[in-house]
Amino acid sequence: GAGVSQSPSNKVTEKGKDVELRCDPISGHTALYWYRQSLGQGLEFLIYFQGNSAPDKSGLPSDRFSAERTGGSVSTLTIQRTQQEDSAVYLCASSLGSSQNIQYFGAGTRLSVL
Amino acid sequence: RKEVEQDPGPFNVPEGATVAFNCTYSNSASQSFFWYRQDCRKEPKLLMSVYSSGNEDGRFTAQLNRASQYISLLIRDSKLSDSATYLCVVEGSTLGRLYFGRGTQLTVWP
Repeated sequence: GAGVSQSPSNKVTEKGKDVELRCDPISGHTALYWYRQSLGQGLEFLIYFQGNSAPDKSGLPSDRFSAERTGGSVSTLTIQRTQQEDSAVYLCASSLGSSQNIQYFGAGTRLSVL
Repeated sequence: RKEVEQDPGPFNVPEGATVAFNCTYSNSASQSFFWYRQDCRKEPKLLMSVYSSGNEDGRFTAQLNRASQYISLLIRDSKLSDSATYLCVVEGSTLGRLYFGRGTQLTVWP
């Protein structure tokens, strides 16, 4: 399949540990987005990468959250010193770019912080 | 004011019913509009784009009213498989950013 791939699909960690979540976008998509969705809630925007431009980090909830996108393809979302309130599904999406902005989502990473 | 506002529902309708969802958006300069569908514990998936003239895809009809900054989705002859959360999505003030409404939950019962 050529869809957005996220790993791991599930992650259980202890409070205070760091976690890394990975997203592999659809080939050729220049835009990549991270969202968070808590149980029963809507999508919360985290960060947006468009080509080589500086990312839009306006949605990151604290400085414990960071993301990078290497080589314009794969992205990693890192959460340092995890807290229980970080427990959620983290969704990645990609799109062709700013002129074609239909977003295609991966299946998400379900993060549980104990 | 939120970028996109939707009635969260839930809407509970019998099979065969017609149901309509609405949403409003705040950015008058938005150019792209979509409806996404999200099944329980799954990722959102594009249902349809919304065009200025309105558009139809089978049992689904989307309408856009730019003057009122209002989008609607009509589902005719509801099926059990239509049960899901429907997300209203609007391009925001930042190019490439999409803003997702919180979703309207639909349950179709037999």
